[in-house]
Amino acid sequence: AQKITQTQPGMFVQEKEAVTLDCTYDTSDQSYGLFWYKQPSSGEMIFLIYQGSYDEQNATEGRYSLNFQKARKSANLVISASQLGDSAMYFCAMRELPQGGSEKLVFGKGTKLTVNP
Amino acid sequence: GAVVSQHPSWVICKSGTSVKIECRSLDFQATTMFWYRQFPKQSLMLMATSNEGSKATYEQGVEKDKFLINHASLTLSTLTVTSAHPEDSSFYICSGSGTSGRAYNEQFFGPGTRLTVL
Repeated sequence: AQKITQTQPGMFVQEKEAVTLDCTYDTSDQSYGLFWYKQPSSGEMIFLIYQGSYDEQNATEGRYSLNFQKARKSANLVISASQLGDSAMYFCAMRELPQGGSEKLVFGKGTKLTVNP
Repeated sequence: GAVVSQHPSWVICKSGTSVKIECRSLDFQATTMFWYRQFPKQSLMLMATSNEGSKATYEQGVEKDKFLINHASLTLSTLTVTSAHPEDSSFYICSGSGTSGRAYNEQFFGPGTRLTVL
């Protein structure tokens, strides 16, 4: 079963508007972390924002905010005031610690965001 | 800070040859390094996790004899694709995490290496 689900293969947004990228996760752990990364066409993975499972407030980093709803197991990324440079793939990831194993990141399938002028 | 480099950024090789990809943490000590593979328009798939001085732990379905990983120092890990075949063509990304400074428990990614096997 997928542990990270991103249901939007592609999203379009007008420049200067806000957009929400969806992410739901599945875990039975009490302690976990959720990340969002941006991957432009160059391929590098750019860290955007992090939310810990025990963090009571939603994380914010500049134009990025994470709408964390623990009971619903969702961690949606909100990008405000979209810019043309925001066009990229966006990946949601969860940090998990498998039993007897090492901590690792599990990625969703990603959402391709296109910002239109 | 927390910069990871990879070399080469791209490589083309003939089928049957071996290719080595280097991953370096430039400004922190990476006690753990991760190697991912990404096929076009797909997500990152973890191949293996390596701790400095220890043997790598491979994910299910990844051939350890084909993808040799060495993590000999706190700043360098290498991935060698042995006897490469066209189906090994992919984008390989490494990341490192450390236990000091801002890198604690956070993975910092390299820019990736695009491998094309002819």
